[in-house]
Amino acid sequence: KAGVTQTPRYLIKTRGQQVTLSCSPISGHRSVSWYQQTPGQGLQFLFEYFSETQRNKGNFPGRFSGRQFSNSRSEMNVSTLELGDSALYLCASSLGQTPLNEQYFGPGTRLTVT
Amino acid sequence: DQQVKQNSPSLSVQEGRISILNCDYTNSMFDYFLWYKKYPAEGPTFLISISSIKDKNEDGRFTVFLNKSAKHLSLHIVPSQPGDSAVYFCAASENSGGSNYKLTFGKGTLLTVNP
Repeated sequence: KAGVTQTPRYLIKTRGQQVTLSCSPISGHRSVSWYQQTPGQGLQFLFEYFSETQRNKGNFPGRFSGRQFSNSRSEMNVSTLELGDSALYLCASSLGQTPLNEQYFGPGTRLTVT
Repeated sequence: DQQVKQNSPSLSVQEGRISILNCDYTNSMFDYFLWYKKYPAEGPTFLISISSIKDKNEDGRFTVFLNKSAKHLSLHIVPSQPGDSAVYFCAASENSGGSNYKLTFGKGTLLTVNP
């Protein structure tokens, strides 16, 4: 069974631009979570979507947003990029009603903001 | 404020010996804890978890110990193998088993197992 896929894998953007990242969960999974990983802050929770609804949200500014489609694919958008948004963005999928350990991570999208 | 802390950025052990990775937390509402392993260019992979109603959980070479009064958990790997070399993340959650999929992670510990 195919794992979680994220596209693109690498991205370079300029300060002030916006970016959209995509995550395709494992077939049958209805929950998608997004995390930001930076050297200074480690892995930080952004938000979680389940059946097209945002169910949980972390402490990030409104520039970070997401959505989930009816096929469970999810996108996250960052507007007005700042240098500090340079990070590895990870998504994780799960059935959505199972213990947390049954959450599978994708390889991530490496975003560099210049 | 870092609610989950892994104070050792790195750890080096010999193959066959025990690896002990430590994690401290400050939020008393955390009641479910997980360890993930991460190789470069890959996403984290779940290793083992423990609920706050237990103080130990074992899975093969991996054992997690939880000391609630000290707000401390540790991951023991015995025996350590070179393939265990990776970054290990400790994570915690409130309302385990419910619909709370928000994980709070530590910054990770790089484990190197030398042959």
